[in-house]
Amino acid sequence: GQQVQQSPASLVLQEGENAELQCNFSSTATRLQWFYQHPGGRLVSLFYNPSGTKHTGRLTSTTVTNERRSSLHISSSQTTDSGTYFCAIDMDSNYQLIWGSGTKLIIKP
Amino acid sequence: EAAVTQSPRNKVAVTGGKVTLSCNQTNNHNNMYWYRQDTGHGLRLIHYSYGAGSTEKGDIPDGYKASRPSQENFSLILELATPSQTSVYFCASGGYEQYFGPGTRLTVL
Repeated sequence: GQQVQQSPASLVLQEGENAELQCNFSSTATRLQWFYQHPGGRLVSLFYNPSGTKHTGRLTSTTVTNERRSSLHISSSQTTDSGTYFCAIDMDSNYQLIWGSGTKLIIKP
Repeated sequence: EAAVTQSPRNKVAVTGGKVTLSCNQTNNHNNMYWYRQDTGHGLRLIHYSYGAGSTEKGDIPDGYKASRPSQENFSLILELATPSQTSVYFCASGGYEQYFGPGTRLTVL
């Protein structure tokens, strides 16, 4: 089965609403990274977060390792947040990332 | 943030032709990676490298070769391109946290 599952597959919100993206994985992850992919294709690392909670600006990532899940919270969403968000894990400490299928986020003005 | 560049950015090739995708990173990372991304999906690892002279097979290596002649450069080679290799290819470098190039859009006709 799929080792990294992201939900929802797509999410449409009005500007100003909060977004909650989920990532569940089937095995213990030694590393977990959240990425944002611009509509034009560019990939940007948001968080390296194997456990605990991290914040940057309006973004918060929380990873609960023993429950094999991570979440990405976007507060007060903006139209520029639109794009696809990926969760990727490394299970074997060999730096090979396994990727989820992503959550496509659309923020309407 | 790590600087990773790729060339070419777009490539149209013919079936059976040879294609070389190039990647350069300027942050002295030991590890480099080649991924492909198909529409609506996450990334899949093709080849990776732990340093100059090293290449390792990822999850989907068939039909691809890799070359790491130096710390900075990592190439992906399609000796006999096929239409099924039409995709967007991303190069990345890094260890615990990976940094991505802008991608190469390859179309094999």
